[in-house]
Amino acid sequence: KQEVTQIPAALSVPEGENLVLNCSFTDSAIYNLQWFRQDPGKGLTSLLLIQSSQREQTSGRLNASLDKSSGRSTLYIAASQPGDSATYLCAVGGKLIFGQGTELSVKP
Amino acid sequence: GAGVSQSPRYKVAKRGQDVALRCDPISGHVSLFWYQQALGQGPEFLTYFQNEAQLDKSGLPSDRFFAERPEGSVSTLKIQRTQQEDSAVYLCASSFNDMNTEAFFGQGTRLTVV
Repeated sequence: KQEVTQIPAALSVPEGENLVLNCSFTDSAIYNLQWFRQDPGKGLTSLLLIQSSQREQTSGRLNASLDKSSGRSTLYIAASQPGDSATYLCAVGGKLIFGQGTELSVKP
Repeated sequence: GAGVSQSPRYKVAKRGQDVALRCDPISGHVSLFWYQQALGQGPEFLTYFQNEAQLDKSGLPSDRFFAERPEGSVSTLKIQRTQQEDSAVYLCASSFNDMNTEAFFGQGTRLTVV
């Protein structure tokens, strides 16, 4: 059974810092890995999708990497801003099995 | 529509009442997923459709939960004889063709059973 773990559960950083969120999964037989952002009381916004054959994807200040063999993904956020404050979730697909999320707070 | 639409946004049900939650996926999206999200937790998979076929319902917590997508577009998640532990946010997602494409989520339905 696929299990997804995200570390840390919560993170607080000052504005401008670069940061890394971690995601690990137990079964490397995945179709893809997707990172999402969730604001309080809202649905999930897709940030990046990495196919199983890819190593990384970039969008603006976000960079996500995937190492299937070790069962790990990282989400790198450059030059963090207060507007980045949210819960970040990773999910491995097929049917999207989610981690518990990392709650990020960026202080002005 | 432009995105995945779910209704109602909020639902309060008395224990024992039946509820129906609706999901309108992005037009043309073949795959549709339902998730349950408890407060402070990640979403938990409930069920998956490809067109009208329900290919995986392994996450449905009990036989009180039933989902359908009769015409391969709109889907309904029905919960019979609701219980307090059913209180959660129910999220719907759709993707273009199969499990290998980007999934887009609706805003969710917050169900509170009193």
